[in-house]
Amino acid sequence: SYEVTQPLSVSVALGQTATVTCGGKNIGRKNVHWYQQKPGQAPVLVIYRDTNRPSGIPERFSGSNSGNTATLTISRAQGGDEADYYCQMWDSSTAWVFGGGTKLTVL
Amino acid sequence: QVQLVESGGGVAQPGGSLRLSCAASGFTFSSYGMHWVRQAPGKGLEWVTFIHYDGSKKYYADSVKGRFTISRDNSKNTIYLQMNSLRPEDTAVYYCAKNQREYSGYDAFDIWGQGTMVTVS
Repeated sequence: SYEVTQPLSVSVALGQTATVTCGGKNIGRKNVHWYQQKPGQAPVLVIYRDTNRPSGIPERFSGSNSGNTATLTISRAQGGDEADYYCQMWDSSTAWVFGGGTKLTVL
Repeated sequence: QVQLVESGGGVAQPGGSLRLSCAASGFTFSSYGMHWVRQAPGKGLEWVTFIHYDGSKKYYADSVKGRFTISRDNSKNTIYLQMNSLRPEDTAVYYCAKNQREYSGYDAFDIWGQGTMVTVS
């Protein structure tokens, strides 16, 4: 089965840049999607197919994917960005896979 | 607007059954594959099952295979999750989610419902 690894937590100072990683073997060959989930709410898609932002998602959110690591970058972090972030992809042996999630704290 | 609304959650005894529903609106439901995703209390997201736009193909996570059944009624813009032989570890919020692209299933989940809580105890 395909396994992906996310850090449990990431901290960022207000206004600085946060990076959330998603590691997996040759993940660069897969389409990776990212979701934001705030407490008590449903997940929201923030990045799809590695680098694309759905309408309504601020330009501060960006993504990249290469080699064994996919990355979600949040520029000029705001208090409202505090949330859990999950990567997700489809794998032929495991079907739809979610990373374990990363809790982002804005200091 | 595009919306998914789940219902049917509640409390069930171990070995019991529940049937969840997810009503869709605001898009051409019959053109999109649909998923169920669950989240145990304090835990991460876990994909559960997927059904193709026309119901022709269904896929299940190993953890629910043989116990859960996904189905859809395109005339009612609704998908269902029949959960049998429930276990305490099935306790979770269950979300339905829409596949992003038409006639496909391997894309992002672009629309999510608000979730319905299932407790097995």
